[in-house]
Amino acid sequence: EAQVTQNPRYLITVTGKKLTVTCSQNMNHEYMSWYRQDPGLGLRQIYYSMNVEVTDKGDVPEGYKVSRKEKRNFPLILESPSPNQTSLYFCASSHYDRDYGYTFGSGTRLTVV
Amino acid sequence: SQQGEEDPQALSIQEGENATMNCSYKTSINNLQWYRQNSGRGLVHLILIRSNEREKHSGRLRVTLDTSKKSSSLLITASRAADTASYFCATDEGSSNTGKLIFGQGTTLQVKP
Repeated sequence: EAQVTQNPRYLITVTGKKLTVTCSQNMNHEYMSWYRQDPGLGLRQIYYSMNVEVTDKGDVPEGYKVSRKEKRNFPLILESPSPNQTSLYFCASSHYDRDYGYTFGSGTRLTVV
Repeated sequence: SQQGEEDPQALSIQEGENATMNCSYKTSINNLQWYRQNSGRGLVHLILIRSNEREKHSGRLRVTLDTSKKSSSLLITASRAADTASYFCATDEGSSNTGKLIFGQGTTLQVKP
């Protein structure tokens, strides 16, 4: 089944404790992206990647890192999480021409206390 | 930055009725997409309409695009209780090659049995 897999689905952590949210797709998509969804603010792009070893900042990259060492994986790294990073996170992927829409993961609900 | 504005914010109808949601955007686009999100879950791609298309159908969905007015509408015909969800329009910008989707705030649809 074609899908984007995120892990974990739920995570509660403490301020400052480094964490990684994994994202993997099995569709050979070139393009991958991370979004966060917050009430009243909607969905905002954090980082994106056009292909292996090519990443760039989205609208809200502060406090996050990403890497794209393999085509299928695009992990989101929070080096020192803070409470304002409490949010619902989504990974998405598509083919480079993006004319067929994006496939989203099921989401990771992160709470930083 | 939020480009899309959706109208109405909330819509409640009876099963069998049609539901219409509208979306406006501000900049030039490559395409406009509609997504569905069940509460707290991942976004599911419904339909994509390219900037040179005016109308598109997929099952019970009908999407129109008016680039002169920078607006789109999504019509769901013969609605079902299972259509209860939030619906988002998202634009893939034409002026950049970031692949970023800019989402509207969404319309919450409730279909009563």
